[in-house]
Amino acid sequence: NAGVTQTPKFQVLKTGQSMTLQCAQDMNHEYMSWYRQDPGMGLRLIHYSVGAGITDQGEVPNGYNVSRSTTEDFPLRLLSAAPSQTSVYFCASSRDTLNYGYTFGSGTRLTVV
Amino acid sequence: GDSVTQMEGPVTLSEEAFLTINCTYTATGYPSLFWYVQYPGEGLQLLLKATKADDKGSNKGFEATYRKETTSFHLEKGSVQVSDSAVYFCALRGQAGTALIFGKGTTLSVSS
Repeated sequence: NAGVTQTPKFQVLKTGQSMTLQCAQDMNHEYMSWYRQDPGMGLRLIHYSVGAGITDQGEVPNGYNVSRSTTEDFPLRLLSAAPSQTSVYFCASSRDTLNYGYTFGSGTRLTVV
Repeated sequence: GDSVTQMEGPVTLSEEAFLTINCTYTATGYPSLFWYVQYPGEGLQLLLKATKADDKGSNKGFEATYRKETTSFHLEKGSVQVSDSAVYFCALRGQAGTALIFGKGTTLSVSS
């Protein structure tokens, strides 16, 4: 029972490069989200999805794209990396009920130089 | 919009001391409330939750009561251990139910 799996765990990018952070869950959860964690800022919502084919923006969506072609996968794309995107990124998934908490992956630590 | 405010850290305590971490929220309707814990180098783990007014969530000696009248969900533990050293996040899931909204986190450091 893997839960939420994020890859890679660590990544260093040069400014302007693009990459995709992978996120997969095996719990058949409808809802998935991406957060970034920065010192003193807590976790801020980047994008979220309420089901396959449906995505929406969160608090800090600029510079990121997402898609949800299957229930299991929710990749996060950085189109042109900037130093301001240096952060720890967390993917999370949940059932579609208000009373249910989110299950988090172990995170991807991204450094943009 | 919905928001969560939690006390600034760090909180530094001696082992067996009493812990309180304050959390207040702003939301329309009746959100569900959560406390998550993050140990060094790890992801977030659900610590406890409460889904309606006056509910008390509890786990591993930690407790929090959903107070609608004061829009609060303070985390308490009667006797902390060194192993409780971590970052604690208060969060809410609003009526729309789409995603969690987090506070900025409170770092707890417990010394023996």
